[in-house]
Amino acid sequence: DAGVTQSPTHLIKTRGQQVTLRCSPKSGHDTVSWYQQALGQGPQFIFQYYEEEERQRGNFPDRFSGHQFPNYSSELNVNALLLGDSALYLCASSLDGPGAITDTQYFGPGTRLTVL
Amino acid sequence: ILNVEQSPQSLHVQEGDSTNFTCSFPSSNFYALHWYRWETAKSPEALFVMTLNGDEKKKGRISATLNTKEGYSYLYIKGSQPEDSATYLCAFERGATNKLIFGTGTLLAVQP
Repeated sequence: DAGVTQSPTHLIKTRGQQVTLRCSPKSGHDTVSWYQQALGQGPQFIFQYYEEEERQRGNFPDRFSGHQFPNYSSELNVNALLLGDSALYLCASSLDGPGAITDTQYFGPGTRLTVL
Repeated sequence: ILNVEQSPQSLHVQEGDSTNFTCSFPSSNFYALHWYRWETAKSPEALFVMTLNGDEKKKGRISATLNTKEGYSYLYIKGSQPEDSATYLCAFERGATNKLIFGTGTLLAVQP
């Protein structure tokens, strides 16, 4: 049973560019959440997708957007990159639909984004 | 502002030592408290999800307790081993939202 996978592993971009990060949830999971971990901090919640819609959002600007596909995989898009967007981006999946019996969120290994 | 605080920031112990960390969180509108172990270059690994005041969970040599009224949780490791070396993160879930608010973690280094 594959866990949460993310791609790419590492990415280098320059200021002003746009980036797309991808996440495949754990088999059977229907909810995907994205987190940003800046250096020296704990992961911070960006947003969450369920049934292909953004269900809730953290304190991040509109430059951060996402999408969830019918197979529950998800993308995180960041436009007009700033130096401060350099961070590890984590994806987490969980089961929130019918049959959910646990609140555990399972994390992927993350994508390391460096903005120069 | 919801603050989740963990202490200590880092800990160096000898193999065989027992150790514990603290996670403090807001006591209002509590839903769950999550503990994760995160080894370098790997995915954070879920250890426990704790929901009830007075809850105590155990997984091998690792156990955790929860006090929702005063807003803290302790994680204990008995007889630390080098493979326990990792960052231990706690995360507070306010309401049944699946939105986790993380602390900054405790970095544990176990010397052989």
